[in-house]
Amino acid sequence: DAGVIQSPRHEVTEMGQEVTLRCKPISGHNSLFWYRQTMMRGLELLIYFNNNVPIDDSGMPEDRFSAKMPNASFSTLKIQPSEPRDSAVYFCASSLAGAPGYTFGSGTRLTVV
Amino acid sequence: KQEVTQIPAALSVPEGENLVLNCSFTDSAIYNLQWFRQDPGKGLTSLLLIQSSQREQTSGRLNASLDKSSGRSTLYIAASQPGDSATYLCAVAQNSGGSNYKLTFGKGTLLTVNP
Repeated sequence: DAGVIQSPRHEVTEMGQEVTLRCKPISGHNSLFWYRQTMMRGLELLIYFNNNVPIDDSGMPEDRFSAKMPNASFSTLKIQPSEPRDSAVYFCASSLAGAPGYTFGSGTRLTVV
Repeated sequence: KQEVTQIPAALSVPEGENLVLNCSFTDSAIYNLQWFRQDPGKGLTSLLLIQSSQREQTSGRLNASLDKSSGRSTLYIAASQPGDSATYLCAVAQNSGGSNYKLTFGKGTLLTVNP
């Protein structure tokens, strides 16, 4: 298995633009997590899905952020409009619900200028 | 709300030294605890996972212990090498309903092993 695949690896965009981050979880995993990492706050859970259904989105900072999981093999995290304070590394992780262990993707480094 | 704290925030040691990284958490109702390694600009690599019913796990030169009642875990690295230089993250998993679990991370310990 190729692991959790995230794209793009790097994204630089101007303030106000829409940004879409993508994630392909490990085949067979039915839980998917989006995290954001910054120097100040460390790794924060934004939202997670179980069987494609959002379970907990309490970590989503505001309405500018939205996430979808249209099927078991794909998820997106969208920021519209983007702001400089959204600059961070965004990680996607997947796991088998009820089983120990999580696999993380390599992350997307987002810079909003 | 679960809070995870890691001490120290940074550690610099000479090669060959044995060292201990500390992790504490406020809510002892955890499902498991994981230690991850993160290299600069990279993702997270899982090192060790301790189930809530376990006391420790070992992998090579790494040993992780868990004292759930006191809300503490340690990661012991024996005979450290320059290749061990990285950020080490502690994360606790908690049940959030049904078969759903979510991880709460500490901010990590930045380890530098000097040749």
